[in-house]
Amino acid sequence: AQSVSQHNHHVILSEAASLELGCNYSYGGTVNLFWYVQYPGQHLQLLLKYFSGDPLVKGIKGFEAEFIKSKFSFNLRKPSVQWSDTAEYFCAVNARGNKLVFGAGTILRVKS
Amino acid sequence: GAVVSQHPSWVICKSGTSVKIECRSLDFQATTMFWYRQFPKQSLMLMATSNEGSKATYEQGVEKDKFLINHASLTLSTLTVTSAHPEDSSFYICSATEGQGRHEQYFGPGTRLTVT
Repeated sequence: AQSVSQHNHHVILSEAASLELGCNYSYGGTVNLFWYVQYPGQHLQLLLKYFSGDPLVKGIKGFEAEFIKSKFSFNLRKPSVQWSDTAEYFCAVNARGNKLVFGAGTILRVKS
Repeated sequence: GAVVSQHPSWVICKSGTSVKIECRSLDFQATTMFWYRQFPKQSLMLMATSNEGSKATYEQGVEKDKFLINHASLTLSTLTVTSAHPEDSSFYICSATEGQGRHEQYFGPGTRLTVT
Protein backbone atom coordinates (compact mmCIF):
# COMPACT_ATOMS: atom_id res chain seq x y z
CA ALA A 1 0.00 0.00 0.00
CA GLN A 2 1.09 3.52 -0.65
CA SER A 3 2.25 5.58 2.28
CA VAL A 4 3.58 9.06 2.82
CA SER A 5 5.81 10.04 5.69
CA GLN A 6 6.59 13.54 6.84
CA HIS A 7 9.67 13.75 8.97
CA ASN A 8 8.72 16.38 11.50
CA HIS A 9 5.37 16.89 13.16
CA HIS A 10 6.25 20.25 14.70
CA VAL A 11 8.72 22.83 13.45
CA ILE A 12 9.39 26.18 15.08
CA LEU A 13 11.39 28.81 13.21
CA SER A 14 12.16 32.47 13.56
CA GLU A 15 11.18 34.86 10.79
CA ALA A 16 13.67 34.95 7.90
CA ALA A 17 14.93 31.45 8.68
CA SER A 18 15.02 28.92 5.87
CA LEU A 19 12.53 26.08 5.81
CA GLU A 20 12.76 22.54 4.58
CA LEU A 21 10.02 20.01 5.29
CA GLY A 22 10.72 16.43 4.39
CA CYS A 23 8.34 14.11 2.58
CA ASN A 24 8.98 10.56 1.48
CA TYR A 25 6.56 8.21 -0.20
CA SER A 26 6.46 4.53 -0.92
CA TYR A 27 5.32 3.65 -4.40
CA GLY A 28 7.41 2.36 -7.25
CA GLY A 29 5.41 3.61 -10.19
CA THR A 30 4.47 6.95 -11.64
CA VAL A 31 3.22 9.40 -9.06
CA ASN A 32 1.80 12.86 -8.86
CA LEU A 33 2.95 14.80 -5.82
CA PHE A 34 1.38 17.66 -3.93
CA TRP A 35 1.95 19.96 -1.00
CA TYR A 36 -1.13 21.43 0.65
CA VAL A 37 -1.26 24.07 3.36
CA GLN A 38 -3.93 24.62 5.98
CA TYR A 39 -3.81 28.01 7.67
CA PRO A 40 -5.47 28.28 11.08
CA GLY A 41 -9.22 28.12 10.68
CA GLN A 42 -9.07 27.73 6.93
CA HIS A 43 -9.43 24.89 4.47
CA LEU A 44 -6.70 23.04 2.64
CA GLN A 45 -5.10 24.96 -0.19
CA LEU A 46 -2.74 23.73 -2.86
CA LEU A 47 0.79 25.09 -2.54
CA LEU A 48 2.35 23.28 -5.46
CA LYS A 49 2.21 20.08 -7.46
CA TYR A 50 4.45 17.88 -9.54
CA PHE A 51 3.13 15.81 -12.43
CA SER A 52 6.13 15.54 -14.77
CA GLY A 53 8.98 17.54 -16.26
CA ASP A 54 11.30 19.78 -14.25
CA PRO A 55 11.67 18.15 -10.83
CA LEU A 56 12.07 21.53 -9.18
CA VAL A 57 8.59 22.91 -8.80
CA LYS A 58 7.75 26.45 -7.80
CA GLY A 59 4.51 27.17 -6.04
CA ILE A 60 2.70 30.06 -4.46
CA LYS A 61 4.04 32.36 -1.75
CA GLY A 62 7.69 31.63 -2.52
CA PHE A 63 7.54 27.90 -1.83
CA GLU A 64 9.27 25.32 -3.95
CA ALA A 65 9.72 21.56 -3.84
CA GLU A 66 12.14 19.16 -5.43
CA PHE A 67 11.17 15.72 -6.65
CA ILE A 68 14.03 13.25 -6.28
CA LYS A 69 12.85 10.02 -7.79
CA SER A 70 15.78 7.93 -6.57
CA LYS A 71 15.05 8.96 -2.99
CA PHE A 72 11.25 8.81 -3.28
CA SER A 73 11.25 12.30 -1.84
CA PHE A 74 9.42 15.57 -2.43
CA ASN A 75 10.76 18.06 0.10
CA LEU A 76 9.23 21.49 0.51
CA ARG A 77 11.48 24.53 0.84
CA LYS A 78 11.28 28.25 1.39
CA PRO A 79 14.39 30.42 1.68
CA SER A 80 12.96 32.89 4.18
CA VAL A 81 9.78 32.23 6.17
CA GLN A 82 7.36 34.85 7.40
CA TRP A 83 5.06 34.89 10.40
CA SER A 84 2.15 34.43 8.00
CA ASP A 85 3.55 31.02 6.97
CA THR A 86 2.41 29.62 10.31
CA ALA A 87 0.18 26.72 9.26
CA GLU A 88 0.00 22.98 8.89
CA TYR A 89 1.60 21.51 5.77
CA PHE A 90 0.57 18.23 4.19
CA CYS A 91 2.41 16.23 1.57
CA ALA A 92 0.21 14.04 -0.62
CA VAL A 93 0.74 11.45 -3.31
CA ASN A 94 -1.54 10.34 -6.08
CA ALA A 95 -0.67 7.02 -7.63
CA ARG A 96 -3.99 5.39 -8.47
CA GLY A 97 -6.66 7.30 -10.29
CA ASN A 98 -7.57 10.44 -8.41
CA LYS A 99 -7.02 9.13 -4.88
CA LEU A 100 -4.70 11.09 -2.64
CA VAL A 101 -2.71 9.61 0.21
CA PHE A 102 -1.71 12.22 2.77
CA GLY A 103 1.18 12.40 5.14
CA ALA A 104 0.56 13.09 8.81
CA GLY A 105 1.21 16.80 8.41
CA THR A 106 3.81 19.19 9.80
CA ILE A 107 2.77 22.08 11.99
CA LEU A 108 4.99 25.08 11.34
CA ARG A 109 5.11 27.93 13.79
CA VAL A 110 7.03 31.02 12.81
CA LYS A 111 8.04 33.33 15.62
CA SER A 112 7.97 37.02 14.85
CA GLY B 1 -12.38 29.88 -9.13
CA ALA B 2 -12.64 26.24 -8.00
CA VAL B 3 -14.45 26.85 -4.74
CA VAL B 4 -15.94 24.04 -2.70
CA SER B 5 -18.35 24.70 0.13
CA GLN B 6 -19.64 22.50 2.92
CA HIS B 7 -22.71 22.81 5.03
CA PRO B 8 -23.02 22.86 7.95
CA SER B 9 -19.63 23.97 9.20
CA TRP B 10 -20.34 22.36 12.54
CA VAL B 11 -23.10 20.21 13.97
CA ILE B 12 -23.91 18.65 17.31
CA CYS B 13 -26.28 15.71 17.38
CA LYS B 14 -27.47 13.11 19.85
CA SER B 15 -26.36 9.53 19.73
CA GLY B 16 -28.59 7.42 17.48
CA THR B 17 -29.65 10.24 15.18
CA SER B 18 -28.54 10.81 11.59
CA VAL B 19 -26.70 13.82 10.21
CA LYS B 20 -26.38 14.97 6.61
CA ILE B 21 -23.41 16.99 5.39
CA GLU B 22 -23.48 18.71 2.01
CA CYS B 23 -20.55 19.38 -0.28
CA ARG B 24 -20.99 21.73 -3.23
CA SER B 25 -18.72 22.85 -6.03
CA LEU B 26 -19.70 26.47 -6.52
CA ASP B 27 -18.12 27.44 -9.83
CA PHE B 28 -17.26 24.22 -11.60
CA GLN B 29 -18.67 20.81 -12.34
CA ALA B 30 -17.21 18.14 -10.11
CA THR B 31 -17.04 14.80 -11.85
CA THR B 32 -15.57 13.22 -8.75
CA MET B 33 -15.93 14.11 -5.11
CA PHE B 34 -14.05 12.67 -2.18
CA TRP B 35 -14.91 12.42 1.49
CA TYR B 36 -12.20 12.47 4.12
CA ARG B 37 -12.14 12.19 7.86
CA GLN B 38 -9.57 13.97 9.99
CA PHE B 39 -8.94 13.04 13.61
CA PRO B 40 -7.29 15.54 15.94
CA LYS B 41 -3.59 15.92 15.21
CA GLN B 42 -3.80 13.33 12.45
CA SER B 43 -3.86 13.40 8.72
CA LEU B 44 -6.78 13.14 6.34
CA MET B 45 -8.04 9.63 5.78
CA LEU B 46 -9.97 8.97 2.60
CA MET B 47 -13.36 7.47 3.33
CA ALA B 48 -14.90 7.20 -0.12
CA THR B 49 -14.86 8.39 -3.69
CA SER B 50 -18.06 9.34 -5.42
CA ASN B 51 -18.70 9.89 -9.11
CA GLU B 52 -21.80 11.70 -10.27
CA GLY B 53 -24.64 9.31 -10.94
CA SER B 54 -22.95 6.18 -9.67
CA LYS B 55 -22.42 4.42 -6.38
CA ALA B 56 -19.63 5.58 -4.15
CA THR B 57 -16.48 3.52 -3.74
CA TYR B 58 -15.60 3.07 -0.09
CA GLU B 59 -12.14 2.57 1.34
CA GLN B 60 -11.38 -0.56 3.28
CA GLY B 61 -12.74 -0.40 6.80
CA VAL B 62 -15.36 2.27 6.09
CA GLU B 63 -18.91 1.08 6.72
CA LYS B 64 -20.97 1.93 3.67
CA ASP B 65 -24.25 1.46 5.55
CA LYS B 66 -23.16 3.90 8.19
CA PHE B 67 -21.71 6.57 5.94
CA LEU B 68 -24.16 7.01 3.08
CA ILE B 69 -22.84 9.01 0.16
CA ASN B 70 -24.95 10.40 -2.63
CA HIS B 71 -23.60 12.31 -5.64
CA ALA B 72 -26.80 13.22 -7.40
CA SER B 73 -25.50 16.09 -9.52
CA LEU B 74 -22.24 17.50 -10.82
CA THR B 75 -22.21 20.12 -8.09
CA LEU B 76 -23.51 18.32 -5.01
CA SER B 77 -22.50 15.34 -2.93
CA THR B 78 -23.91 14.47 0.47
CA LEU B 79 -22.57 12.38 3.32
CA THR B 80 -25.11 11.06 5.81
CA VAL B 81 -23.82 9.65 9.06
CA THR B 82 -26.54 7.24 10.16
CA SER B 83 -27.21 6.24 13.75
CA ALA B 84 -24.33 8.39 14.90
CA HIS B 85 -22.28 7.43 17.94
CA PRO B 86 -19.73 9.46 19.91
CA GLU B 87 -16.88 7.68 18.11
CA ASP B 88 -18.16 9.21 14.86
CA SER B 89 -17.27 12.65 16.20
CA SER B 90 -14.67 14.02 13.84
CA PHE B 91 -13.85 16.59 11.20
CA TYR B 92 -15.26 15.62 7.81
CA ILE B 93 -13.80 17.21 4.70
CA CYS B 94 -14.88 16.90 1.11
CA SER B 95 -12.94 17.64 -2.04
CA ALA B 96 -13.73 17.71 -5.72
CA THR B 97 -11.97 17.37 -9.03
CA GLU B 98 -12.96 19.11 -12.21
CA GLY B 99 -13.14 17.37 -15.55
CA GLN B 100 -11.66 14.08 -16.65
CA GLY B 101 -8.08 13.09 -16.01
CA ARG B 102 -7.36 15.96 -13.64
CA HIS B 103 -5.72 15.14 -10.36
CA GLU B 104 -5.88 18.41 -8.46
CA GLN B 105 -8.46 18.31 -5.71
CA TYR B 106 -10.17 21.39 -4.35
CA PHE B 107 -11.07 21.11 -0.71
CA GLY B 108 -14.06 22.30 1.25
CA PRO B 109 -13.68 23.98 4.64
CA GLY B 110 -14.77 20.90 6.56
CA THR B 111 -17.61 20.03 8.94
CA ARG B 112 -17.03 19.45 12.64
CA LEU B 113 -19.39 16.74 13.89
CA THR B 114 -19.86 16.18 17.60
CA VAL B 115 -22.08 13.33 18.75
CA THR B 116 -23.22 13.52 22.36
